[in-house]
Amino acid sequence: QKEVEQDPGPLSVPEGAIVSLNCTYSNSAFQYFMWYRQYSRKGPELLMYTYSSGNKEDGRFTAQVDKSSKYISLFIRDSQPSDSATYLCAMSPAGNNRKLIWGLGTSLAVNP
Amino acid sequence: DTGVSQDPRHKITKRGQNVTFRCDPISEHNRLYWYRQTLGQGPEFLTYFQNEAQLEKSRLLSDRFSAERPKGSFSTLEIQRTEQGDSAMYLCASSLGGGDLGNQPQHFGDGTRLSIL
Repeated sequence: QKEVEQDPGPLSVPEGAIVSLNCTYSNSAFQYFMWYRQYSRKGPELLMYTYSSGNKEDGRFTAQVDKSSKYISLFIRDSQPSDSATYLCAMSPAGNNRKLIWGLGTSLAVNP
Repeated sequence: DTGVSQDPRHKITKRGQNVTFRCDPISEHNRLYWYRQTLGQGPEFLTYFQNEAQLEKSRLLSDRFSAERPKGSFSTLEIQRTEQGDSAMYLCASSLGGGDLGNQPQHFGDGTRLSIL
């Protein structure tokens, strides 16, 4: 079993939809949780960075961490065609964020 | 802040040749990381520097791979005697970290795509 599980999709939604992306993990030592967006032939771009449990909001993006369930989510409101990309979750334990543990990424297509 | 810069963006070479990639991190970042990514996978950690010191290397990093960060600024990753399996995207990331800086997120460049003929 992988340390981080992420459904690769693909996920296809109409423009304006609310998108929910999720990752589960098995290592209870993980304390730092990140979501990256990656366009084709580009590097990962940091979207959200959270520590421990709770919610964090930034514009149309909301990140949630539920450590009791070992489950993290990224919500995208009012999705746009420009949101079409692969979304990767990554996480690391406290005191050692040097080596991130990654999900496979979920491919998202937002259709106009 | 000009972001993490990688050069070249794409490298095509014949099997058995040596290749070298360069990474320029965000200027104030003391930590620098190299990753490898293949299609449909998340990035795979290769190695990490804090300033000029290489502090960690993945077991996946064979002796054909070497990385340097001589002055604690830019870094190079060299692959000797390239093999077909080396074809991948090589990503560089940088961050602040250590001491009172705590844990800061990593910021990535757009990678160097290596194709082995």
